[in-house]
Amino acid sequence: DTGVSQDPRHKITKRGQNVTFRCDPISEHNRLYWYRQTLGQGPEFLTYFQNEAQLEKSRLLSDRFSAERPKGSFSTLEIQRTEQGDSAMYLCASSLWWEQPQHFGDGTRLSIL
Amino acid sequence: QQQVKQSPQSLIVQKGGIPIINCAYENTAFDYFPWYQQFPGKGPALLIAIRPDVSEKKEGRFTISFNKSAKQFSLHIMDSQPGDSATYFCAAESQGGSEKLVFGKGTKLTVNP
Repeated sequence: DTGVSQDPRHKITKRGQNVTFRCDPISEHNRLYWYRQTLGQGPEFLTYFQNEAQLEKSRLLSDRFSAERPKGSFSTLEIQRTEQGDSAMYLCASSLWWEQPQHFGDGTRLSIL
Repeated sequence: QQQVKQSPQSLIVQKGGIPIINCAYENTAFDYFPWYQQFPGKGPALLIAIRPDVSEKKEGRFTISFNKSAKQFSLHIMDSQPGDSATYFCAAESQGGSEKLVFGKGTKLTVNP
């Protein structure tokens, strides 16, 4: 069984462009989380899904951010009209069910030129 | 408002030493406390976790000590090795609540040969 998979690993884009990241959780994990990590900081929660339902969104998730998990399997995180401040590592984690440990992928590093 | 405070920011020990990393929290609703290890370019990997009903948990060379009344917990690494050099994050979660992880800012550990 492979771990959480994220694609792409690195994304470089110009300010104002739209970007989309994909996360494939561990098989049969019902919960999927998105976090953002900036240099020298711990990950910060963005949003999470239980199956296909998005149950919570952080105040960090502005209107330019949208996340989906259409069939309760993989998830996508889209950022529209990227800004310099969006430069960060975007981490995805999954857990089997509630009260189970969260396992992280290796992230997508976004750099805004 | 930083809900989980972690110290020190960085730590250097000799091989075989016992580095200790401390964390403190304020939210009494937290009831699950994991530690994650992160290498450069990788996502956080779960090391060990504890719940407030026990004061200590050991897994291999890693030990968590938990003081519920003081709202503090710490990670001890026995017989540290150069391969343990990484950034360590404590986190806290309210299981049964939002179940999002709240992370400390991390401790960069260097173990010299």
